[in-house]
Amino acid sequence: SQTIHQWPATLVQPVGSPLSLECTVEGTSNPNLYWYRQAAGRGLQLLFYSVGIGQISSEVPQNLSASRPQDRQFILSSKKLLLSDSGFYLCAWSVRELPNGAFFGQGTRLTVV
Amino acid sequence: AQSVAQPEDQVNVAEGNPLTVKCTYSVSGNPYLFWYVQYPNRGLQFLLKYITGDNLVKGSYGFEAEFNKSQTSFHLKKPSALVSDSALYFCAVRRGSSNTGKLIFGQGTTLQVKP
Repeated sequence: SQTIHQWPATLVQPVGSPLSLECTVEGTSNPNLYWYRQAAGRGLQLLFYSVGIGQISSEVPQNLSASRPQDRQFILSSKKLLLSDSGFYLCAWSVRELPNGAFFGQGTRLTVV
Repeated sequence: AQSVAQPEDQVNVAEGNPLTVKCTYSVSGNPYLFWYVQYPNRGLQFLLKYITGDNLVKGSYGFEAEFNKSQTSFHLKKPSALVSDSALYFCAVRRGSSNTGKLIFGQGTTLQVKP
């Protein structure tokens, strides 16, 4: 069966520090991968999605970047965090060829102080 | 562009009563529609989906949703609410013709079921 792992679960970082959140998927190949941010426990904003290794689409201009160095690995990064980067970050995957929804990781609560 | 609207920030129902959480969408072509539930500080859990076929879709935990193409709606329903149904619910849409599977979410509706 497929599983998605996202870590860490919580993170407190000072303003100006770098960020690296990692997400890996097991039990599937060639997934679509996504990073979402949820602010204040409400709507989900799509930040990045990827349809393959090295292929990243950015949905909104921001202080963050994403990379996909391996088929089932998706990394969210920042060189210098801002206070406004605080939020709940969710990684997700979906099967590319099928009309399915996405399956989510447990999320990372990032607090920038 | 794709979009999803959930017009109610919160829905309050008494336990045992039927519940409805509303969702309308906008997408070019045939839509793929989804409902997810989120408990505090957790990821989203898939409830149900509409791809094609019968407009009434049944999902997990007794939930169902009705696809209405003319009204571009996909409301979530349950005949008898439980206190444990209290959570944040998200509607999402994906453009059917796209294989990128980009999923766009509504702003979420908090469901509060009172005993």
